[in-house]
Amino acid sequence: QLQLQESGPGLVKPSETLSLTCTVSGGSISGSTYYWGWIRQPPGKGLEWIGSIYYSGSAYYNPSLKSRVTISVDTSKNQFSLKLSSVTAADTAVYYCARSSWAGLAAPFDYWGQGTLVTVSS
Amino acid sequence: QSVLTQPPSVSGAPGQRVTISCTGSSSNIGAGYDVHWYQQLPGTAPKLIYGKSNRPSGVPDRFSGSKSGTSASLAITGLQAEDEADYYCQSYDSTVSGSVFGGGTKLTVL
Repeated sequence: QLQLQESGPGLVKPSETLSLTCTVSGGSISGSTYYWGWIRQPPGKGLEWIGSIYYSGSAYYNPSLKSRVTISVDTSKNQFSLKLSSVTAADTAVYYCARSSWAGLAAPFDYWGQGTLVTVSS
Repeated sequence: QSVLTQPPSVSGAPGQRVTISCTGSSSNIGAGYDVHWYQQLPGTAPKLIYGKSNRPSGVPDRFSGSKSGTSASLAITGLQAEDEADYYCQSYDSTVSGSVFGGGTKLTVL
């Protein structure tokens, strides 16, 4: 059974960089025909796609966040990561990592991590 | 403001049928892209309940999706108390060149 687990600091100061890692178990990122993505959900609000990456390193970002986001993959550790720079209180959210059911940006996300709350505050 | 528009809330009595709409535009649903649906119970991650015109294994056939023009709908028949949750639609948008979600709909079982 595929499992995804987010990890990283739960508190980030304004203007700093948010960094999260998603560890995949029960399956391999390498050579897979899936995209791996990040989605966030501010408290009490809806879902927002942040971006997705293929195991080869090709990454795709939400234009609204593109200038601040970097998603990378480490196939040796079976992990992919998110970096969001210059954070503000508006970036406070539960951050989810997830797998797309095929290698396409139109694909649904069929496996999700449990989510991790990141609060931006001094 | 979400690219896909959903009603904030819907409700129904046990056993009834409810539908949740998802309205998009010519750059997403209207362009023919699939619409996927998620159920989110309080404090948990979203769960895919209808994707690419079919239900994942284990999802009851009480859940079904449809699409017409620039809109899509999720229908839930034989409503049960356990269906009370937030529901989100998702599609691809060519303007965004990526995935977009609806704002979510809270389903209350009366």
